[in-house]
Amino acid sequence: NAGVTQTPKFQVLKTGQSMTLQCAQDMNHNSMYWYRQDPGMGLRLIYYSASEGTTDKGEVPNGYNVSRLNKREFSLRLESAAPSQTSVYFCASSDPRGGAGNQPQHFGDGTRLSIL
Amino acid sequence: AQSVAQPEDQVNVAEGNPLTVKCTYSVSGNPYLFWYVQYPNRGLQFLLKYITGDNLVKGSYGFEAEFNKSQTSFHLKKPSALVSDSALYFCAVRDPRGFKTIFGAGTRLFVKA
Repeated sequence: NAGVTQTPKFQVLKTGQSMTLQCAQDMNHNSMYWYRQDPGMGLRLIYYSASEGTTDKGEVPNGYNVSRLNKREFSLRLESAAPSQTSVYFCASSDPRGGAGNQPQHFGDGTRLSIL
Repeated sequence: AQSVAQPEDQVNVAEGNPLTVKCTYSVSGNPYLFWYVQYPNRGLQFLLKYITGDNLVKGSYGFEAEFNKSQTSFHLKKPSALVSDSALYFCAVRDPRGFKTIFGAGTRLFVKA
């Protein structure tokens, strides 16, 4: 009963380095999301994928790219990391049954990323 | 544009006492409303939702929330708090016509034994 799995759990990068955060879900959900969580700011949507083959920008997409590799996997890439991207990153997925809006999102346990 | 506000950064309550965590929202039309809980070093977990119907919704772990359309509020409540309820709570709102869910900044709940 894995749900949403994120790797790695922790990472430290130097400014300018690149990295890909991985996310996989085993619930056969169509929709997947990437958020960042910063103190006092709640969760902010970076990118989302309504279904396999589609991706769209969220509230804070600058400095990030995503790939919906297949129905299960949705990765987030930082091409040139900056200290402002130090955060906790969460991946989530949702079940489209009954309309995509009224079903809750299921979250992974996050990737804690520090950029020096 | 839709938004959600959690006016209290922190709520302190004694074990056994009732608790309320406040949430107000702004969205045109009828919203979808959610509460999530986050424990340390974990992702958010769904507690309950309001889509339509009865204004009082019941969720996991004895929590409930009351939807008040006139006050645009969706406060989370529990009749008797437990120390294990101590966590970070997030209110979230979604416009049914869109796709994105907006989260509040979170309220940290401390339940003292």
